[in-house]
Amino acid sequence: NAGVTQTPKFRVLKTGQSMTLLCAQDMNHEYMYWYRQDPGMGLRLIHYSVGEGTTAKGEVPDGYNVSRLKKQNFLLGLESAAPSQTSVYFCASTGTGQLGSNQPQHFGDGTRLSIL
Amino acid sequence: GEDVEQSLFLSVREGDSSVINCTYTDSSSTYLYWYKQEPGAGLQLLTYIFSNMDMKQDQRLTVLLNKKDKHLSLRIADTQTGDSAIYFCAERSGLTGGGNKLTFGTGTQLKVEL
Repeated sequence: NAGVTQTPKFRVLKTGQSMTLLCAQDMNHEYMYWYRQDPGMGLRLIHYSVGEGTTAKGEVPDGYNVSRLKKQNFLLGLESAAPSQTSVYFCASTGTGQLGSNQPQHFGDGTRLSIL
Repeated sequence: GEDVEQSLFLSVREGDSSVINCTYTDSSSTYLYWYKQEPGAGLQLLTYIFSNMDMKQDQRLTVLLNKKDKHLSLRIADTQTGDSAIYFCAERSGLTGGGNKLTFGTGTQLKVEL
């Protein structure tokens, strides 16, 4: 099983450029998440989606947009990249299961993004 | 809001036990997780504990939960060089509109020396 796949794995952008990060999962999960990881700060939630066609803001949403047109894909967009967005971006997904059941998040391998 | 804290570094000798500690603030957390991150890789789920449990053992891993003090620990027995990685503690809480989110600690860098 592929699990959660992120593309690209690495990217270097210039300030002001735009790009889209793609996350795909093959586990039929309802919930998908985008995090950023910065040194000494753990992972912070950018945006999330509780189902196809729905998105919501997390802790640090400014400067990012997302779309969930298909259940298996969750796209993260940077419209005008800034150096502060240099980070490692992780996508995760989880199923719903029974109320109160354990549904751990499954993570992709990350996208390392540098903004010059 | 939710907050999770961990110490940044831990160094142990191969064969010794490692204990990584974590404190969290959300008393309504239902599940608490430990993830492992190796260099250049994503996060791998190691183990988890439900909030009504005090302890959970899974092979070399033992998770202890003190709900009163909101303290979680991960003990790795017979630590090996392959255990060198960053370990993240995370607490689960609900999201508006359904679903759950994880709040992560800053991660503890475990270094295993020969």
